[in-house]
Amino acid sequence: QKEVEQNSGPLSVPEGAIASLNCTYSDRVSQSFFWYRQYSGKSPELIMSIYSNGDKEDGRFTAQLNKASQYVSLLIRDSQPSDSATYLCAVNAPGAGSYQLTFGKGTKLSVIP
Amino acid sequence: NAGVTQTPKFQVLKTGQSMTLQCAQDMNHNSMYWYRQDPGMGLRLIYYSASEGTTDKGEVPNGYNVSRLNKREFSLRLESAAPSQTSVYFCASSETLLGRDQPQHFGDGTRLSIL
Repeated sequence: QKEVEQNSGPLSVPEGAIASLNCTYSDRVSQSFFWYRQYSGKSPELIMSIYSNGDKEDGRFTAQLNKASQYVSLLIRDSQPSDSATYLCAVNAPGAGSYQLTFGKGTKLSVIP
Repeated sequence: NAGVTQTPKFQVLKTGQSMTLQCAQDMNHNSMYWYRQDPGMGLRLIYYSASEGTTDKGEVPNGYNVSRLNKREFSLRLESAAPSQTSVYFCASSETLLGRDQPQHFGDGTRLSIL
């Protein structure tokens, strides 16, 4: 049973601070990792995908992957109130049912003005 | 470019009624998925279709059936609705490229209540 674990939060950070969201996964052969943002009452929206160890930056967002520790994180720099949402970590594994994603339950982020 | 379109957006059913949730994507993606999202449970895969003509069960398939009508459309059917199927249902699609899983793109969801 593949598992993806996230702290449910809420994680509260002041505006302008760095928000750090963490995710651990159980399947060692996982190869593809995604972060989604979901506003209340809306659908998940892709923020970042990462496939290789290390950091990947896109604007204010940085995804970090460490396959040896089975750990993926999302950093949000200069956090804005509009970043307040639930962030979902999703993980896949090749050949494990083909193209299925396992989602964590999400971390609720609140950015305080 | 509409992306993934789901209909209806809201629906109320009585226990035992049947209905079909519709999903269509215009991104020429091979793979399509149906999820349900419940408070505290996260997104759970109901069924998926890796390509036109194939469907497979996900984590929670009981009480549901699916049809991959063509490359664009993937429908989810509740034959005899139960209150436990009250949920928000999301359809998603993704490209299929050898050697690397592509992100899934989600529709706006269908909010289904069963009384």
